[in-house]
Amino acid sequence: NAGVMQNPRHLVRRRGQEARLRCSPMKGHSHVYWYRQLPEEGLKFMVYLQKENIIDESGMPKERFSAEFPKEGPSILRIQQVVRGDSAAYFCASSPPAGQGNEQFFGPGTRLTVL
Amino acid sequence: DQQVKQNSPSLSVQEGRISILNCDYTNSMFDYFLWYKKYPAEGPTFLISISSIKDKNEDGRFTVFLNKSAKHLSLHIVPSQPGDSAVYFCAASGNSGGSNYKLTFGKGTLLTVNP
Repeated sequence: NAGVMQNPRHLVRRRGQEARLRCSPMKGHSHVYWYRQLPEEGLKFMVYLQKENIIDESGMPKERFSAEFPKEGPSILRIQQVVRGDSAAYFCASSPPAGQGNEQFFGPGTRLTVL
Repeated sequence: DQQVKQNSPSLSVQEGRISILNCDYTNSMFDYFLWYKKYPAEGPTFLISISSIKDKNEDGRFTVFLNKSAKHLSLHIVPSQPGDSAVYFCAASGNSGGSNYKLTFGKGTLLTVNP
């Protein structure tokens, strides 16, 4: 009964490189959410996806950030041309199909450090 | 614009006593509230939730109280145990614009339970 899985757990990138963060939801969950936590802050919503669909990306920065949840495989959060301000913990959460509760279950996070 | 506020950054209690963590919100469209517990370098773990149609929900040592008129909720832990030491996040979601999936988090309260 594996929970939400994220990899890598730690990622170091130099400014200008690309970062790819992966998330596999809990078994039976079809909804995936990405949140970002800056130091000393709470988690901030970024994007909500279902298989092959972006439902709400209102929390995503307009440039350099993209997310996908393909029919097969994990959800990917992609950050192009990273800058120091992208350093944060990125958490993925998943939930059952709509109508089965509002609880979201979180993965362990990916800690991105941009040098 | 902090829609969910946890005004106490930290709280220290003695083992066996009650811990009370508080949370205030400003958005009257929020109708579902959750508490998450987070250890360092891990993802948030769901603890307990409450719908706006209730004013209390209890699960073992954890009880959440909701006062809608005051837009205030609290988490009671009794008796507190050293293993409860963690950061506690209050989160809310609502049906504003159909976005009942989007969790808005407070900044968290660090609870320390002393043996």
